[in-house]
Amino acid sequence: QTVVTQEPSLTVSPGGTVTLTCASSTGAVTSGYYPNWFQQKPGQAPRTLIYSTSDKHSWTPARFSGSLLGGKAALTLSGVQPEDEAEYYCLLYCGGGLWVFGGGTKVTVL
Amino acid sequence: QEQLQESGPGLVKPSETLSLTCSVSGGSISGYYWSWIRQPPGKGLEWIGHIYYSGSTNYNPSLKSRVTISVDTSKNQISLNLSSVTAADTAMYYCARVKPGQFDYWGQGTLVTVSS
Repeated sequence: QTVVTQEPSLTVSPGGTVTLTCASSTGAVTSGYYPNWFQQKPGQAPRTLIYSTSDKHSWTPARFSGSLLGGKAALTLSGVQPEDEAEYYCLLYCGGGLWVFGGGTKVTVL
Repeated sequence: QEQLQESGPGLVKPSETLSLTCSVSGGSISGYYWSWIRQPPGKGLEWIGHIYYSGSTNYNPSLKSRVTISVDTSKNQISLNLSSVTAADTAMYYCARVKPGQFDYWGQGTLVTVSS
């Protein structure tokens, strides 16, 4: 089964920029993997930020953006706010109707 | 705006079947996929499987032998059954709405503990 890998943790200063990545064990991530990105704060349900690589929901703050970067899916947070401190998960479509989550990246704003 | 609400027993005994319901309000089940996702305490998210409103399903291969997801369009509900549970199935269980390539709305989740 496909393994999806994310950085375990990243630290960013307020107002700074950080990029999280999402890799597939089967090779380069393409738009056909329909990368989705989710934010989860302690005690809360996940919230979808990005879908289909780079599309945003109506509730997604403009400072979040998605892309493909060096064969991986990427989530960039620009102008980071203290409230962006959270766990972030990516999810990839791996064919045959199957989806696989990454292990999550804990973003600390410090 | 669509709202999803998971419900079911908070405590299940080992070897028994876990049964949960996701109730959808503010919209119709028709036209969408509906996923179940779980999260053990302190751990990451795991996709369990999904169902299309017409009834076709796909399951995580690691759970496929124990999982059944069904839909009741008349009640606007999606159900999850997980058989032969063990302590490893203790988790927060979420349902989510899915369009092609796009997860959008999530429920608040329901915690299920497997213990005798």
